[in-house]
Amino acid sequence: GAVVSQHPSWVICKSGTSVKIECRSLDFQATTMFWYRQFPKQSLMLMATSNEGSKATYEQGVEKDKFLINHASLTLSTLTVTSAHPEDSSFYICSPRREIYEQYFGPGTRLTVT
Amino acid sequence: ILNVEQSPQSLHVQEGDSTNFTCSFPSSNFYALHWYRWETAKSPEALFVMTLNGDEKKKGRISATLNTKEGYSYLYIKGSQPEDSATYLCALAGYGGSQGNLIFGKGTKLSVKP
Repeated sequence: GAVVSQHPSWVICKSGTSVKIECRSLDFQATTMFWYRQFPKQSLMLMATSNEGSKATYEQGVEKDKFLINHASLTLSTLTVTSAHPEDSSFYICSPRREIYEQYFGPGTRLTVT
Repeated sequence: ILNVEQSPQSLHVQEGDSTNFTCSFPSSNFYALHWYRWETAKSPEALFVMTLNGDEKKKGRISATLNTKEGYSYLYIKGSQPEDSATYLCALAGYGGSQGNLIFGKGTKLSVKP
């Protein structure tokens, strides 16, 4: 069990456009979803935490109006990068949690903003 | 912010060599330490979860130990195979009593040459 899909796996977009990343837990329900990003040579860093049906909680330094998170169901969460800029180029990875301390991961999305 | 250090950053070994790497952390104020194996273009895969000082876990040729008093965990791979090539991440869960989030190290990238 514990299969997580994430789409797209990579995307290139122009500066100023928006990009939506979709994360699905295929064989379990996730009440909590974590979104991480990783810059080159850095560790995975938490961006935000969302619980199904509630507003996401963002980490310090992460703009909530720029990174819109929707967690409308127990199996689907989306991250929309609005008005993307080159500095938003990064690797984004979702992590649905099935039980406390039991987290799984999507395969990630490589975003390049030109 | 808790700093989770992993060393070495990268490692190149020959098939059949045994190897080990380290995850170190300055505080024992966490609930669990996780090890993940992350192959390129795939989801990080959970290897071990350890909670108690002195914990030892084993899965096939891979084993891990935890020493919370001295602040480190070791991951051992016996008789490395090319399919072991991946980045190995350690992460602390429940730091400071929080019930969410994993704090990651930067990972150790292992390359096993046939």
